[in-house]
Amino acid sequence: GDSVTQMEGPVTLSEEAFLTINCTYTATGYPSLFWYVQYPGEGLQLLLKATKADDKGSNKGFEATYRKETTSFHLEKGSVQVSDSAVYFCALRNTGGFKTIFGAGTRLFVKA
Amino acid sequence: GAVVSQHPSWVICKSGTSVKIECRSLDFQATTMFWYRQFPKQSLMLMATSNEGSKATYEQGVEKDKFLINHASLTLSTLTVTSAHPEDSSFYICSASPGVAGNTIYFGEGSWLTVV
Repeated sequence: GDSVTQMEGPVTLSEEAFLTINCTYTATGYPSLFWYVQYPGEGLQLLLKATKADDKGSNKGFEATYRKETTSFHLEKGSVQVSDSAVYFCALRNTGGFKTIFGAGTRLFVKA
Repeated sequence: GAVVSQHPSWVICKSGTSVKIECRSLDFQATTMFWYRQFPKQSLMLMATSNEGSKATYEQGVEKDKFLINHASLTLSTLTVTSAHPEDSSFYICSASPGVAGNTIYFGEGSWLTVV
């Protein structure tokens, strides 16, 4: 079945460091890919998405490119801030479907 | 923009009692809503798909008699945890989409359940 694998955390970075959180997927068809963020004590918020190969999703300085050849959707940010500390979930949803499959989540700590 | 709201955000109940969590789509109609459960430091696991006007579809391993789902209207789905036990303590989150498959899915804020 469909699945999402993302790098284990926690990831600890200093402020202004470069962030990469790896995400790979297995899916039939051509899924849409998402990154969600969960801040402490809150629900999920959609961070960015990409719906087809080579699309780049971006928001709040975060970027991820849909790579069909490597079945990946790695999340990157050039300069993290303390306020970026959260849990990040990679997810996929197949075309025409509602069901969202989540990765295990990666906790990010950013130190001042 | 579209908003999905859950209530309550936090609930503490005694072991053996039942607790109801509501999920509302505030400015769109949702024929389908989803209920997820998240254990501490783990990912979200889909529990069931809630279909307006019909029975919910439960994922394998989820007890349908324990987690009762009712989707009585196009804007409200409820999850009732019956005869709750401490191991049911978790973060429950719902999501909804305005109709057509493939549309954006919106998540609620989540509900923290603690069973003592």
